[in-house]
Formats: sequence, C-alpha cells, structure tokens
Amino acid sequence: GQQLNQSPQSMFIQEGEDVSMNCTSSSIFNTWLWYKQDPGEGPVLLIALYKAGELTSNGRLTAQFGITRKDSFLNISASIPSDVGIYFCAGLLWGGATNKLIFGTGTLLAVQP
Amino acid sequence: DGGITQSPKYLFRKEGQNVTLSCEQNLNHDAMYWYRQDPGQGLRLIYYSQIVNDFQKGDIAEGYSVSREKKESFPLTVTSAQKNPTAFYLCASSTQGNEQYFGPGTRLTVT
Repeated sequence: GQQLNQSPQSMFIQEGEDVSMNCTSSSIFNTWLWYKQDPGEGPVLLIALYKAGELTSNGRLTAQFGITRKDSFLNISASIPSDVGIYFCAGLLWGGATNKLIFGTGTLLAVQP
Repeated sequence: DGGITQSPKYLFRKEGQNVTLSCEQNLNHDAMYWYRQDPGQGLRLIYYSQIVNDFQKGDIAEGYSVSREKKESFPLTVTSAQKNPTAFYLCASSTQGNEQYFGPGTRLTVT
C-alpha cells in the first residue's frame, strides 16, 4: 500500500530542544493529520489540517498544511520527556465512496531529561 | 465517556485457530476501520466499512474477515489462513470524510 515519506526516521534530543518533522507525498490530499503513538497504545490525534497553507497550533505543537497540498510539517517547541513516542503523519483522501487514510512511516522521538 | 474500545488488550492463540477481535464505538461514527501494525512499522489497512452491512478490503485483507451488522461494532476475525497473524491490531472510526480516531489496540500473539 501507499505510504507517505516522513522524515527524520528518528530523533534523539535533550529536554527543552525544539523538534521539527515533515511529510511529503506525490499525491494531493484533502486533509493532513498528525498522530502520536505511545508504546503499546493506539495513535492519538494531535492536529488536523483542512486547508492548503493552514497553520494550526495545539499547545507546544504547530503544524502546517503545504500550499501544494502534498506536504506538511510538525514542530514541537521546548520538548519534555512525555513527548517521547512515535509521530505519524497521515493524508486523508475522500470523495464518493472513498475515505482512505495514508500513513507516513513514522518518526521516533526520544527526549533525554 | 465516548470512545472506541477494543478487547482484549492481549490475546494468545495456537496456530491454526481462528480468533475474533472486538471493536466497539459509541461516537455515532458511520465508518470503521481495521489496521495492522508490525514492530517498527506504520499502519496497514486490513478492512474498512463506510456503512452498516457493507465493507471493503484494504491493502492486506487476505486471511482476515469482518462483519458490520451494527453501527457500533466492527469485529475482525483472524483466520488460520493468515500466514503471519502475530501483530498489533488497531481499530478506528470516523464520520464520513473526516479524521479517524483510534482504539487502544489488541496485541495478538499466535504460537
């Protein structure tokens, strides 16, 4: 199945540092989503982006939907230990009978206190 | 509380046995989905259902079956035909054309 190109694959940072990750695709999406997954748990929705160029914040998280609708980035400011986990981007294709979510390959974030 | 529940959290089965994973949602969502996640990997779509009594195969449907008799429920059966059934299984739901919300997952181990 199709997957989005997500980078970096992993990040090891110190507490307090800012983090940036991004996703790119050759396809255009209606919606971009960012999820965080803790070990052994289901992904939790962090931010949803609906319009090209949209910039949305959720606390220390900021995400943007690319103008071309083919990319998105997620920034985390002033990281804390509980930010540890795997971050997935996902592009949503919908229309007619289709409502399909295409996932990125994930970014593993490790934060050292 | 509104949400998606999956049970059990951990499931162990012997090879050759069919096993059914439960997924229930009280969010009044029309669409439900099943994904499989292997260690260090992303999510792969097994089956999805846009409406009651209808469902479609995803990218890796072989060896799996589903039913959608009620809006709230979308059980997944892992059959003995699935060659590598050990994995983490995630259920999700959404309203049409909108973001998906995930359950806590079921870790299936087949020996």
